[in-house]
Amino acid sequence: AQKVTQAQTEISVVEKEDVTLDCVYETRDTTYYLFWYKQPPSGELVFLIRRNSFDEQNEISGRYSWNFQKSTSSFNFTITASQVVDSAVYFCALSERTSGTYKYIFGTGTRLKVLA
Amino acid sequence: DTGVSQDPRHKITKRGQNVTFRCDPISEHNRLYWYRQTLGQGPEFLTYFQNEAQLEKSRLLSDRFSAERPKGSFSTLEIQRTEQGDSAMYLCASSLPGRGTEAFFGQGTRLTVV
Repeated sequence: AQKVTQAQTEISVVEKEDVTLDCVYETRDTTYYLFWYKQPPSGELVFLIRRNSFDEQNEISGRYSWNFQKSTSSFNFTITASQVVDSAVYFCALSERTSGTYKYIFGTGTRLKVLA
Repeated sequence: DTGVSQDPRHKITKRGQNVTFRCDPISEHNRLYWYRQTLGQGPEFLTYFQNEAQLEKSRLLSDRFSAERPKGSFSTLEIQRTEQGDSAMYLCASSLPGRGTEAFFGQGTRLTVV
């Protein structure tokens, strides 16, 4: 069965610290997609990144980087030199083809608080 | 604004009343999803449309819930005889066709049943 686990419920860091948000997933499919979304206090889920199961290259986008490891079924997200504006709830999600649809299965989220 | 639009943003209703929410997806997106999010949880899948066809419904979607997407454009989610347990954020998302395309979410409708 599909499952996404974000074991860290809440993390607090001081501005400029680096922080890593963990995501572990379960799937029986060989083809699947992983996502990270940010949910600021306004409530809208903002898409950050997509990774498919055949591409294990890590990705960097500005202060954000993602580490995808199929061997440990993990897709971790690191924010370098965190800023107060990074404060939000971050969700990891998994999508695979079940019943002909590509629905997204979300983890429970990690609330990140960046303190000035 | 070309994002996903949801209306209303907030809805307070008395238990037993019916409510209807509307979602306008990004215009070229043929896939549309409804999710429900309760406090401290991640979004939970409710239902999925490809164009006007409703292809999947979650077991979370009881008989009191119905969703439509006439003509494959906007979608509505209706909850009949609301219960306090229906209080949640209802999120709509849309995506392009294809495997594993990212979904874009609206700002949600927060429902409070009193």
